[in-house]
Amino acid sequence: EVVLTQSPGTLSLSPGESATLSCRASQSVSGTYLAWYQQKPGQAPRLLIYAASSRAAGIPDRFSGSGSGTDFTLTIIRVEPEDFAVYYCQHYDSSLFTFGPGTTVDIK
Amino acid sequence: QLNESGPGLVKPSETLSLTCSVAGGSIGAYNYYWGWIRQSPGKGLEWVASISYSGSTSYNPSLASRVTMSRDTSKNQFSLRLSSVTAADTAVYFCSGDEYSASWYAYWGRGALVTVSS
Repeated sequence: EVVLTQSPGTLSLSPGESATLSCRASQSVSGTYLAWYQQKPGQAPRLLIYAASSRAAGIPDRFSGSGSGTDFTLTIIRVEPEDFAVYYCQHYDSSLFTFGPGTTVDIK
Repeated sequence: QLNESGPGLVKPSETLSLTCSVAGGSIGAYNYYWGWIRQSPGKGLEWVASISYSGSTSYNPSLASRVTMSRDTSKNQFSLRLSSVTAADTAVYFCSGDEYSASWYAYWGRGALVTVSS
């Protein structure tokens, strides 16, 4: 079973700064099955990135994903006020889903 | 659009039942995939179960002995049953779906809070 670890646990930023969020898998995985979600308080998760680097429909281009093997990254260029939220990575393998514990991006 | 419905309060040892009504797409159409994800208060996301357009199901191994996911294509709904619930099953339950891949979910319901308490 793949275990996902996310770091940092919390990232404190000012609007306009850039954010780099890490997702590490316990074993090498295919990026084809790696996704990122954003969740704001009281809301459902929102798909941001799928297949490690493809933006979902309607997602601004300030969000980008990269990585391979065991290390994947979500980058947010010039964080906007609406980007303060919790971000989860998720992996799919053999019909099973695994979520990481999440990274909170909050206002400094 | 996805919309969860079901009792908001379930007694310990009883069975939690939720239904997700889908609008705007047929749950049995080719390449549509559906799932349930839950989130305990203040915690992260936990996958519960999935069902494909063909009706094949998969379950979180930690819940598999208590979970059943099914679908009713005539009503365009899919459902979750979780038996022998305890307080640890108290969570917001989200139904979700995708029309292209089994590997992630682009569509989400607003979530239904289910509290397990006597």
